[in-house]
Amino acid sequence: QPVLTQPPSSSASPGQTARLTCTLPSDINVREYNIYWFQQKPGRPPRFLLFYYSDSDKGRGSGVPSRFSGSKDASANTGILLISGLQSDDEADYYCMVWPVNVWVFGGGTKLTVL
Amino acid sequence: QVYLQESGPGRVKPSETLSLTCTVSGYSISSGSYWGWVRQPPGKGLEWIASIYYNGETHYNASLKSRVIISVDTSKNQLSLRLTSVTAADTAVYYCAELTILSYWGQGTLVTVSS
Repeated sequence: QPVLTQPPSSSASPGQTARLTCTLPSDINVREYNIYWFQQKPGRPPRFLLFYYSDSDKGRGSGVPSRFSGSKDASANTGILLISGLQSDDEADYYCMVWPVNVWVFGGGTKLTVL
Repeated sequence: QVYLQESGPGRVKPSETLSLTCTVSGYSISSGSYWGWVRQPPGKGLEWIASIYYNGETHYNASLKSRVIISVDTSKNQLSLRLTSVTAADTAVYYCAELTILSYWGQGTLVTVSS
């Protein structure tokens, strides 16, 4: 079972851009997979935010604002979630996920604090 | 609107079997998606447990495979999970979810393993 590495915590101020990372193990090439991102608030189920494969193959969940976007850093084998124009309501846990053949793998999650 | 509702006992004794059911409304399980279970121990991250395709094809987390059975009842539009020989480490909120579009999740049900 592969392991996706996310920093346990991150913080940013309102109005700024938060950059959350998800590093894949070396045997999974980020170029080859969709990276999925979820937001979870206390006591709530995960909310699908978006997936990112490339600039021409990406999509956001229903009702997810365009402030949320994805990208990749292939040199670091990392998926990235960008949240621009941070709002206090964006304070939550964020999980990445990949879906290699027949397994669903979540990262450990990043707690985003909006200062 | 698509709704997923988990049901089952809130408490299971160690070494016994945990059984959960997820009733789906507003979306046919036979429509051609993966359905599955994800759990979250208190204060921890998300862990995929198992998935099943509408045709009955199943996939399991390798770390749980020996103890888990996932099934669907298309006549009732339900998804089920059985986890045998439970221990305290299986205490978690258990979510059922549609795992292809990823936008449909149940609210989750807390299962505590305790004598």
